[in-house]
Parts: sequence; C-alpha cells; structure tokens
Amino acid sequence: RKEVEQDPGPFNVPEGATVAFNCTYSNSASQSFFWYRQDCRKEPKLLMSVYSSGNEDGRFTAQLNRASQYISLLIRDSKLSDSATYLCVVSGLMGANNLFFGTGTRLTVIP
Amino acid sequence: EAGVAQSPRYKIIEKRQSVAFWCNPISGHATLYWYQQILGQGPKLLIQFQNNGVVDDSQLPKDRFSAERLKGVDSTLKIQPAKLEDSAVYLCASSARQGVSVNTEAFFGQGTRLTVV
Repeated sequence: RKEVEQDPGPFNVPEGATVAFNCTYSNSASQSFFWYRQDCRKEPKLLMSVYSSGNEDGRFTAQLNRASQYISLLIRDSKLSDSATYLCVVSGLMGANNLFFGTGTRLTVIP
Repeated sequence: EAGVAQSPRYKIIEKRQSVAFWCNPISGHATLYWYQQILGQGPKLLIQFQNNGVVDDSQLPKDRFSAERLKGVDSTLKIQPAKLEDSAVYLCASSARQGVSVNTEAFFGQGTRLTVV
C-alpha cells in the first residue's frame, strides 16, 4: 500500500468553478502535511501547509482529518492559472521528516 | 535569494552508460534530498543528507545508484550502469533544518531530465 494516495484525475473544470481534491495517507504517525503545486515540466512548489485546524489562503482551503487520515484541498473560483498538478505530501514517516508524495491530481481549468 | 541549482538540465545516454548529476542547495541549508520523478508519478525520495551525513537512503538502488555530499554543501548523484527504467526527472531539494515541517519548507531545483535509450 502506498504511503500517500490521491485520485490522479484529470479534473477538467470551467473557470469560476469550485473543485476539491482528496488524499489519504497510510501511516498514522505522519506529522506534517502539505499541498504542492507542479506545473508542466517544472519543479514542485509549496502551495500550502495543512494545519490540524484547517487553514485558508485566499481561494484555497486545506483540511486535515487525522482520525480518517485524510487531507483535502478546495479551490474556489478557479482561474486558468490554477491549471497544474496538485501533489499531496506527507512528512514525518520513518522519523526522518522527509517528504512522501502522492501521484498528483491534474487540474485543467477551461475558459 | 538564489534557489537550488542543478545541472545538467537534460541528459540522454545509452543503457549501461554512466551519468552524474550535480546539485547546489540554497546557501546555509543543512538538509539535501534527491528525488526521482517518473512521468505521471509523484517524486520518490532516493536519499536524504543532513550536512554531509546520510539520514535515509532506504529507497536508493545501491547496486547502481550512489550519492555523496562530501563537504556538506553541494552533492552529486551517480547512476552506473543506467537502465531504461531510470528515465525520469531527478530533483534535488534542500531545507534549512533537519527535515521539513509546517515551519520548514523544502525548496526544489528545476531537475535533470534523464532519458536512457
């Protein structure tokens, strides 16, 4: 079983739509959680950290459910520039605090 | 602030040849990671260094892959001999402290795209 699992998509949504991505992780000892964004042929970049109480950054909202080992990302009012692959990332496994990535969910926002 | 530098950007080699990638992390960052990203997949950790010591290399195929960070700054990753399935993007990342947390971000370089033919 993979440490981090997410729906690979693709998700094709119109501009202005709300879209949600989900992710599950297998190790309850995981300590930190993130969403990274990766544009085509570019490196991953941190979109936002995910806090236990949930957190919001503009149009983006991240939620964490430790009991269900589930992480979500909600994007409101989608823009064309939001088109990218969104990677669910977990750290704290194996005590080394390195990053374990999901496969990524590909989002295309359509005009 | 300069980012994580990697070279070369692209490399094409024949199977059974050797190849080396170089990474220079952000100045002052103690932790350095090498990740392998196969097309359509998320990055997979190969090795993590803390200064010049190895923290985790459990997923490094040690029969053909090696990495070093001799002076605790820049690092090289080598594949010898290469196989077709090694075709991937090799990403280097660094973070200021040991590992990452919600308060310690990992920054990635642009990667080296390796094609083995």
